[in-house]
Amino acid sequence: NAGVTQTPKFQVLKTGQSMTLQCAQDMNHEYMSWYRQDPGMGLRLIHYSVGAGITDQGEVPNGYNVSRSTTEDFPLRLLSAAPSQTSVYFCASRRDNYFGQETQYFGPGTRLLVL
Amino acid sequence: EDKVVQSPLSLVVHEGDTVTLNCSYEVTNFRSLLWYKQEKKAPTFLFMLTSSGIEKKSGRLSSILDKKELFSILNITATQTGDSAVYLCGPSDTGNQFYFGTGTSLTVIP
Repeated sequence: NAGVTQTPKFQVLKTGQSMTLQCAQDMNHEYMSWYRQDPGMGLRLIHYSVGAGITDQGEVPNGYNVSRSTTEDFPLRLLSAAPSQTSVYFCASRRDNYFGQETQYFGPGTRLLVL
Repeated sequence: EDKVVQSPLSLVVHEGDTVTLNCSYEVTNFRSLLWYKQEKKAPTFLFMLTSSGIEKKSGRLSSILDKKELFSILNITATQTGDSAVYLCGPSDTGNQFYFGTGTSLTVIP
């Protein structure tokens, strides 16, 4: 299993440009999520999905869109990049077993710089 | 307001020392609390806690949750240089929201 994969690893954008951060998992997890990590702010949840066709907002959703057409993929779209969106972005998927035990796996991250 | 407060913010110890990392939280409709280790890259899962008073152990690491007092601790005994990392705690609620503290940065000196 590749686990959770993210592309690209690093991206530079100009203000106003749009782009999509890709995330895929091959573990058949229903729950997937996107976080951003900023110095001194910890990880903050942007959007999450509990299954194909179902998405919801996290703590900091403004400026980002998501969709979940398949179980495997959960792309994050920046419609009009702003310098405040400079951050490291992590995608994660979660496994829940029949005993209520959950484990969350993170992708390697995408470092985004918006000029 | 802060939902998750971790302390200390940073810690420097010598190999062989025992450390205790603290996590206090304030989350409505609490579901679980997860601990992670982050070494310059993505966080890696350590423990998931849902019940008070039940210690989870993995080698030299252990963790316990107190749902009444709303805190958790992570203990690392006989620390090694490979334990140097940022340790994150992340409570979740029943609405699938996850919250994270800013982490405790642990440095273990040989």
